[in-house]
Amino acid sequence: AQSVTQLGSHVSVSEGALVLLRCNYSSSVPPYLFWYVQYPNQGLQLLLKYTSAATLVKGINGFEAEFKKSETSFHLTKPSAHMSDAAEYFCAVSEGGGGYNKLIFGAGTRLAVHP
Amino acid sequence: DADVTQTPRNRITKTGKRIMLECSQTKGHDRMYWYRQDPGLGLRLIYYSFDVKDINKGEISDGYSVSRQAQAKFSLSLESAIPNQTALYFCATSEKRDTQYFGPGTRLTVL
Repeated sequence: AQSVTQLGSHVSVSEGALVLLRCNYSSSVPPYLFWYVQYPNQGLQLLLKYTSAATLVKGINGFEAEFKKSETSFHLTKPSAHMSDAAEYFCAVSEGGGGYNKLIFGAGTRLAVHP
Repeated sequence: DADVTQTPRNRITKTGKRIMLECSQTKGHDRMYWYRQDPGLGLRLIYYSFDVKDINKGEISDGYSVSRQAQAKFSLSLESAIPNQTALYFCATSEKRDTQYFGPGTRLTVL
């Protein structure tokens, strides 16, 4: 079965510092991988996705993630944090072949950005 | 207008009551999903539907039922609500194995 592990339920960075949110997955088939962001009192919004094309994926708001098959990782980064990046971030893997699309989510990482 | 809407946005109910949460989408997607979110657990899949005639149980379907009234509508019911069903519920839609688009969520409290 596929699974997702997000290391660190809470991450705190200073404004302007590097953001690194870690995600490791397990999958028996080539995965599709996603990062979603959830701002307070809102639904989930797609940040970026990997669907077997380029291994370095660029998303919205300056975020990017690199798919590393050898490490089964899909870590999310942003060079310089902004106060508006404070939110909860979820990594997810798409399960199954044959066109199925059940997303398996990690537990989430809450990002705090302080001045 | 939002592509995926959920009603109600907030609901407080009592143990044993029947509750229905509704989801509508204007994206024209065939696939729809219901998740619940609990702190520290991420989102877990309750039910999913690939078209009007195809409904499947997810990871945590016990205590829930669904109805796909049309391509655009997918409802989640709690036949007899219990306190541990207090959670944030999300509906989502997708086109095949692609991005899922989420509604704003329904915050349900069962007393």
